[in-house]
Amino acid sequence: QQPVQSPQAVILREGEDAVINCSSSKALYSVHWYRQKHGEAPVFLMILLKGGEQKGHDKISASFNEKKQQSSLYLTASQLSYSGTYFCGTQRGFNAGNMLTFGGGTRLMVKP
Amino acid sequence: GAVVSQHPSWVICKSGTSVKIECRSLDFQATTMFWYRQFPKQSLMLMATSNEGSKATYEQGVEKDKFLINHASLTLSTLTVTSAHPEDSSFYICSARDWTGAITYSYSPLHFGIGTWVSVT
Repeated sequence: QQPVQSPQAVILREGEDAVINCSSSKALYSVHWYRQKHGEAPVFLMILLKGGEQKGHDKISASFNEKKQQSSLYLTASQLSYSGTYFCGTQRGFNAGNMLTFGGGTRLMVKP
Repeated sequence: GAVVSQHPSWVICKSGTSVKIECRSLDFQATTMFWYRQFPKQSLMLMATSNEGSKATYEQGVEKDKFLINHASLTLSTLTVTSAHPEDSSFYICSARDWTGAITYSYSPLHFGIGTWVSVT
């Protein structure tokens, strides 16, 4: 079952903040976040494994609420380079063969 | 960091011909690789899971006779689109998880190849 991302698109001015949400109707074991630039392959941002876990680097961070089956990606003081489509990928079980199911994506555009 | 090489990056072929896409893990071994398909402005849809030394696992609705997957070694998986038609035109991306040094497999990220743009005319 594909996770649901919101919003579908967002336009920011450089320096503004944004939050992207990822929700699942099924219990989750982990959540991955990726960013894809137009015409390129997705690039890994971070993984959240434990409920309540928060991770981040630089001005991009994320949280995972296991009980609510959702994760949020926080982009602080956005930069032009943050533009792209953000995907969350969810994994439902602890299994080496378990694949990731990706959400519909959130298109982020940062303007000068 | 882990690198996944995918070749070719784009291909134009005639309807009815076959297209072969290679996916290699360059600095790690991948017993499992994943093939995704992406239409413009849409999400990544998993087509199949490629397993080294055994048959691939296809997602519901994906024709295994049309999308042939071979995972002959720990570093190479290939996807062949047989008898391609214009509706097969898409962006195909392979990926693999490198869990070398990771606490668990589940903490290992997916590393994607560059992707292959397939255009069937």
